[in-house]
Amino acid sequence: DILLTQSPAILSVSPGERVSFSCRASQSIGTSIHWYQQRTNGSPRLLIKYASESISGIPSRFSGSGSGTDFTLSINSVESEDIADYYCQQSNSWPITFGSGTKLEIK
Amino acid sequence: QVQLQQSGAELVKPGASVKMSCKAFGYTFTTYPIEWMKQNHGKSLEWIGNFHPYNDDTKYNEKFKGKAKLTVEKSSSTVYLELSRLTSDDSAVYYCARRGTTVVAPYFDYWGQGTTLTVSS
Repeated sequence: DILLTQSPAILSVSPGERVSFSCRASQSIGTSIHWYQQRTNGSPRLLIKYASESISGIPSRFSGSGSGTDFTLSINSVESEDIADYYCQQSNSWPITFGSGTKLEIK
Repeated sequence: QVQLQQSGAELVKPGASVKMSCKAFGYTFTTYPIEWMKQNHGKSLEWIGNFHPYNDDTKYNEKFKGKAKLTVEKSSSTVYLELSRLTSDDSAVYYCARRGTTVVAPYFDYWGQGTTLTVSS
C-alpha cells in the first residue's frame, strides 16, 4: 500500500497568513493526489484534484502543487472558516489511501 | 443538485451484522461508482471499497474483505454497506462518496453526511 505522510500534525497560523500543508508519498504517484478539508463534525470536502487542479465552488485562496512524491496544499491568506483537518488522498494504485491529516488552528 | 443521503446512526451488539445505506440524488446513478470510507474517532480515513451501479462491479480493500459487502438497489439509487461479525474495532463513522470521474485515479467529489456505528453490548 502507498503510505502518505502528512506533516506537521498541527499548524497554527494567524488570520491573513499563508499556510502550506505537506504530503509525502512512499513511492512516486505522478499527480494522482487529491486534497480534502474536514471541519469538526462535518464530511470531507474536495478542495484540489490531481495535485493542482481547482474545484468549482472552492475559494481561489486554495491551491496545490507537486508531483512524484512531494505535494503541497497552500492557503493564501487564511480565514477563520479554514479551521479544519486537511487530508491528502492518492489514487495512483489500489487500495486508495489517505494521509494522517494536518489540523489547522488559528491563533 | 448532487446529494448522498446516508442512513441513521446504529447501535449494534458484538457479533451481529449491520446494513447501512447511501441514497443518491441529482445525477444519473449508473454513471459513477459509489465509494465507502471508514473514519475512526479522531483518526484518518480508510478506503473500504466501491460499487459501480452500471455493471455491478465491486472492488474491496483487502483489509475489509470478509468484513464488508456492497450491494445495490437500482430502483431507489441506493448502495448498501453490510458489515458482519462486528467488534468494537468496527465502531466508527462510515462515509459514502461519489467517485468524481469515470476513469481510473479517482477522487471523491460528493460525500454523504456519515453514519455513526457503535458496537457495544
